[in-house]
Amino acid sequence: EDQVTQSPEALRLQEGESSSLNCSYTVSGLRGLFWYRQDPGKGPEFLFTLYSAGEEKEKERLKATLTKKESFLHITAPKPEDSATYLCAVQAGANSKLTFGKGITLSVRP
Amino acid sequence: NAGVMQNPRHLVRRRGQEARLRCSPMKGHSHVYWYRQLPEEGLKFMVYLQKENIIDESGMPKERFSAEFPKEGPSILRIQQVVRGDSAAYFCASSPDRVHNEQFFGPGTRLTVL
Repeated sequence: EDQVTQSPEALRLQEGESSSLNCSYTVSGLRGLFWYRQDPGKGPEFLFTLYSAGEEKEKERLKATLTKKESFLHITAPKPEDSATYLCAVQAGANSKLTFGKGITLSVRP
Repeated sequence: NAGVMQNPRHLVRRRGQEARLRCSPMKGHSHVYWYRQLPEEGLKFMVYLQKENIIDESGMPKERFSAEFPKEGPSILRIQQVVRGDSAAYFCASSPDRVHNEQFFGPGTRLTVL
């Protein structure tokens, strides 16, 4: 069974204080690893897809990386508007469904 | 370029009633997925449909839940005889095909069972 574990559960940062969010996964035949952002009361917003170990993608202050066992979402000089829950999900084998972790709630103080 | 649309956004039902949740995928998308998010838990896959076909229903409870995606109109997730444990946020996602893996989510329907 595919498993996704995200850590820490919650993270509080000062504005400008860079950090990383971790997503560890156990799957058979990874097809893709996905990062989403979810604001309270809203649906997940797509951020990145990573397909193979060594791949990296960037968008503004966010950078996602992938190894054979985990992915990191690096946040550089975060701003209060980056406060949200960040979700990691995997797609594996012949399945199209996404298996999600429980998410990391990020709070950035001004 | 409208995104995934879901309605209603909020739905209140009493125990034993039926709930119908609707999802219109993004324009050009023919694949629809339903997920459920319970308080303090992650998103859980329920069912994957293409037009007129259920492709994967491995996450769907065996009783009271059904889903369809007709040739015309939105996808419907139907919950019969709702119980308090069905209270959750239900999200629909769509993708254009199986090659492009990204799934784009709607705003969700928040179901409350009294």
